[in-house]
Amino acid sequence: ELKVEQNPLFLSMQEGKNYTIYCNYSTTSDRLYWYRQDPGKSLESLFVLLSNGAVKQEGRLMASLDTKARLSTLHITAAVHDLSATYFCAVDSRYTGTASKLTFGTGTRLQVTL
Amino acid sequence: EAQVTQNPRYLITVTGKKLTVTCSQNMNHEYMSWYRQDPGLGLRQIYYSMNVEVTDKGDVPEGYKVSRKEKRNFPLILESPSPNQTSLYFCASSTRQGTYYGYTFGSGTRLTVV
Repeated sequence: ELKVEQNPLFLSMQEGKNYTIYCNYSTTSDRLYWYRQDPGKSLESLFVLLSNGAVKQEGRLMASLDTKARLSTLHITAAVHDLSATYFCAVDSRYTGTASKLTFGTGTRLQVTL
Repeated sequence: EAQVTQNPRYLITVTGKKLTVTCSQNMNHEYMSWYRQDPGLGLRQIYYSMNVEVTDKGDVPEGYKVSRKEKRNFPLILESPSPNQTSLYFCASSTRQGTYYGYTFGSGTRLTVV
């Protein structure tokens, strides 16, 4: 059974600081998703990483994928309050041309303080 | 606007009273799925459907039913709700986009069973 572990579960960081969220998964996959969820809201897609060594950046967020280590990271640069949210990684464990299944991590609740 | 519409957004019900949460998408996606979100557990898949009249169990299907009579609709049925089904539910639709599946999530349904 696929396990997807995120850490930390909760992260309180000051504005302007850098930090990294880690996502480890237990089976081979090269399709890794990152989502953002604001309180009471739905999931917003941030990144889809599709190969070993993939790196994607949007604003202060950068995601990377190491399929050999079964590890993805979400790096936050110079955090601002607007980044406060819960971040989920998800692994597609069943991708074929006609099938897909997302298995989610537990989420990391990020709180950016002044 | 491309969207997944869930109803209701909030529901409080009593143990044993049958209920249906509706989900509709306007993107002609073939793939739809239901997830429940619980604190510390992330999102877990309940059921999914690859196309009309094709459904299968996810990771936590006990106590739930689904049907897919039309491509756009994928209702979630709780025939006899119990308090352990109190949760936040998300419907998602997806389609293959090149070498991965792109997912769109609904706004969520917060269910409380007393």
